[in-house]
Amino acid sequence: EVQLVQSGAEVKKPGESLRISCKGSGYSFSTHWITWVRQMPGKGLECIGRIDPADSSTYYNPSFQGHVTFSADKSISTAYLQWSSLKASDTAMYYCARQPYYRHMDVWGEGTTVTVSS
Amino acid sequence: EIVLTQSPGTLSLSPGERGTLSCRASQSVTSNYLAWYQQKPGQAPRLLIYGASSRATGIPDRFSGSGSGTDFTVTISRLEPEDFGVYYCQQYGSSPHTFGQGTKLEIK
Repeated sequence: EVQLVQSGAEVKKPGESLRISCKGSGYSFSTHWITWVRQMPGKGLECIGRIDPADSSTYYNPSFQGHVTFSADKSISTAYLQWSSLKASDTAMYYCARQPYYRHMDVWGEGTTVTVSS
Repeated sequence: EIVLTQSPGTLSLSPGERGTLSCRASQSVTSNYLAWYQQKPGQAPRLLIYGASSRATGIPDRFSGSGSGTDFTVTISRLEPEDFGVYYCQQYGSSPHTFGQGTKLEIK
């Protein structure tokens, strides 16, 4: 069974750093993009960007460029989304999704809730 | 960036009725790379339709997608209680990939 398992909920203070993870199983991790999606409380879905685990090449939605960083370790089939300095406005649910190259997102992780509050 | 506008914002229907949800793009969607997702409270989105009209694995045939260019539709022929939730369209033909704002399908 193809699965993406995300790390657990996080509660952080503004200015702190954070890395959340997304581990794939049941498929070849290096042959699909991992896309990250944000959903702020009570709001819709936004694509943050994607990473190709094969070579760690990335694409960032310009709206998010410079505030988040993607990385991946294909040896353990895991992708990461990282912040160096969180803001209260980063409070959201973050989903990872498998995306075959240039295709639709077909498998989603369960989501990681990030709460940033002083 | 392609902006997707979904209508209506909320659709109130009864089980057994037919539901039609629309998605309009600000410019033509490359290769009709348009997907539909369903999201229920507390759950991750689930892929329903891709390539504008292809049903994802395990999706019942009461769901159908149509459209091309800038206008797309998903139709649910006979609503079941489990079909209620929020539906999002998404284009993945041009970066950044973008979502519509969602249509909430609720029980009347």
